[in-house]
Amino acid sequence: QKEVEQDPGPLSVPEGAIVSLNCTYSNSAFQYFMWYRQYSRKGPELLMYTYSSGNKEDGRFTAQVDKSSKYISLFIRDSQPSDSATYLCAARSSNTGKLIFGQGTTLQVKP
Amino acid sequence: GAVVSQHPSRVICKSGTSVKIECRSLDFQATTMFWYRQFPKKSLMLMATSNEGSKATYEQGVEKDKFLINHASLTLSTLTVTSAHPEDSSFYICSASPQRPPQDTEAFFGQGTRLTVV
Repeated sequence: QKEVEQDPGPLSVPEGAIVSLNCTYSNSAFQYFMWYRQYSRKGPELLMYTYSSGNKEDGRFTAQVDKSSKYISLFIRDSQPSDSATYLCAARSSNTGKLIFGQGTTLQVKP
Repeated sequence: GAVVSQHPSRVICKSGTSVKIECRSLDFQATTMFWYRQFPKKSLMLMATSNEGSKATYEQGVEKDKFLINHASLTLSTLTVTSAHPEDSSFYICSASPQRPPQDTEAFFGQGTRLTVV
């Protein structure tokens, strides 16, 4: 079992839709959770990070962590064609400091 | 956010030659940098942790003699792919953080290097 699991998609939605991206993880030691956006042939760009359980909102993006179910979510409101990219969830253990990535979900927002 | 610069962005080399990739933190010092490898439509796989002034820590299955890492200063880490072969063709990405692990909650990535071995 991979430490961080993510449905690779692809996920296609119309412009303006609410997008829900999800990951599950297996390591209880993970305490920091991140979402990265990666455009084709570019390095990942940090979107949001959260510590432990809870919600965090930044503009159209909301990140949620439920440690009881080991579930990570990213919601994108009013999705735009420019949001089309691969979204990677990642988790980090406070013990090792290593960042473990999910497979990434490819999102396409159609005009 | 902080800026991490990676060079070159693309490189094509002949089989059997060596290629060096540089990762620089432009506006902060990084005692630790990480090197990843990414296959098409796949996730980032951590190859090694680069520690300034000491030996790198390699992940299981990564050949340390093939992927040489040097972290000579607080702003520069290099990855050298030695005696490259076509199966080494991949997208290599580095990351760095202004904080030391495990407090480095924000890791910033370079733009990646596309290596093609012919």
